[in-house]
Amino acid sequence: AQSVTQPDIHITVSEGASLELRCNYSYGATPYLFWYVQSPGQGLQLLLKYFSGDTLVQGIKGFEAEFKRSQSSFNLRKPSVHWSDAAEYFCAVGPYSSASKIIFGSGTRLSIRP
Amino acid sequence: DTEVTQTPKHLVMGMTNKKSLKCEQHMGHRAMYWYKQKAKKPPELMFVYSYEKLSINESVPSRFSPECPNSSLLNLHLHALQPEDSALYLCASSQASGRSAEQFFGPGTRLTVL
Repeated sequence: AQSVTQPDIHITVSEGASLELRCNYSYGATPYLFWYVQSPGQGLQLLLKYFSGDTLVQGIKGFEAEFKRSQSSFNLRKPSVHWSDAAEYFCAVGPYSSASKIIFGSGTRLSIRP
Repeated sequence: DTEVTQTPKHLVMGMTNKKSLKCEQHMGHRAMYWYKQKAKKPPELMFVYSYEKLSINESVPSRFSPECPNSSLLNLHLHALQPEDSALYLCASSQASGRSAEQFFGPGTRLTVL
């Protein structure tokens, strides 16, 4: 079965501290992996994506993610968080083709401690 | 222009009303999507249009009726909704061919059904 698991429902980190959000997936074919961010009452913004190539992917806003095939993981990292990073983060997986269904994880809510 | 726009931002309707949500993009994308998102949950796919034709319907009740009048516009017609249909409705677009499943999301319409 195809699925995405984000084991952390809510994480709180101090401003300036490092961040890692976990994502594990189960997908039959070669997956196309995404991280999206959603601020309250807003749409989703793509942070980064991965299909092939270098397993460390750089995204917008200083985020990066590392694909580990052996662990079926695609964890999101940021070396130093800012108060504006407080939001909901969704990991997602889909096929490498357009106009298809992508499967979202349940999300991780990030709070920033001043 | 890398923006997906949605109107209205907020909508309150009674269970006997008929209303429509509108989505527009000018990125030349030929795939467009409707998602429903309940509070603290990930988006759930409702419909996918590819080249103005309905390609995926995720068993959505008939009180939701999608329409794609041209390659830039996507509508969602609402009729006889239930209070449990209250949610954030998100539109997205992507390329419809080739190897690019990245979806661009609009800010959403917050729907309240009384």
